[in-house]
Amino acid sequence: EDQVTQSPEALRLQEGESSSLNCSYTVSGLRGLFWYRQDPGKGPEFLFTLYSAGEEKEKERLKATLTKKESFLHITAPKPEDSATYLCAVRNSWGKLQFGAGTQVVVTP
Amino acid sequence: DAMVIQNPRYQVTQFGKPVTLSCSQTLNHNVMYWYQQKSSQAPKLLFHYYDKDFNNEADTPDNFQSRRPNTSFCFLDIRSPGLGDAAMYLCATSREENTQYFGPGTRLTVL
Repeated sequence: EDQVTQSPEALRLQEGESSSLNCSYTVSGLRGLFWYRQDPGKGPEFLFTLYSAGEEKEKERLKATLTKKESFLHITAPKPEDSATYLCAVRNSWGKLQFGAGTQVVVTP
Repeated sequence: DAMVIQNPRYQVTQFGKPVTLSCSQTLNHNVMYWYQQKSSQAPKLLFHYYDKDFNNEADTPDNFQSRRPNTSFCFLDIRSPGLGDAAMYLCATSREENTQYFGPGTRLTVL
């Protein structure tokens, strides 16, 4: 059975304090790993898709990387507006998306 | 802007009283999904439509039904809501099995 585990569950950062979020996965036939950002009371907002080990993608202060067993979302010099829950999801060979429970990030000024 | 729209954003219903949630999209995507998300949990897929083909997840209760009258609209019907059905309901769309784009969600409260 596909499984996605995100750690830590919650992360509190000072503005400018860089950190990384982890997404460990087991999946039958990875057909993409997805990162989403979710603000309270809203739907997930798409950030990145990674398809193969070694691939990296960047957007502003966020950088996502992928290995055969896990993905990292690096937040460089975060700002308070980066506060959100970050969700990781994997798509298996059947096309189904399996989500992790997310990492709640709070960035304080 | 192309988008996924959900109505209403907040829905309050009584225990056992049927409720319908609505999703529409202007992305012209052929796949539409319904997820249930409870507090601090991962979104859980209930079912999806691939074009007109309905695909139910094995563990989705019979209490949940869906309709897709055309490409743009999809409805989630909860026939007899229980207290355990209180959650955020998320609609998502994709072109084929590519990236899924989500709507803002409908927060359902069951009294």
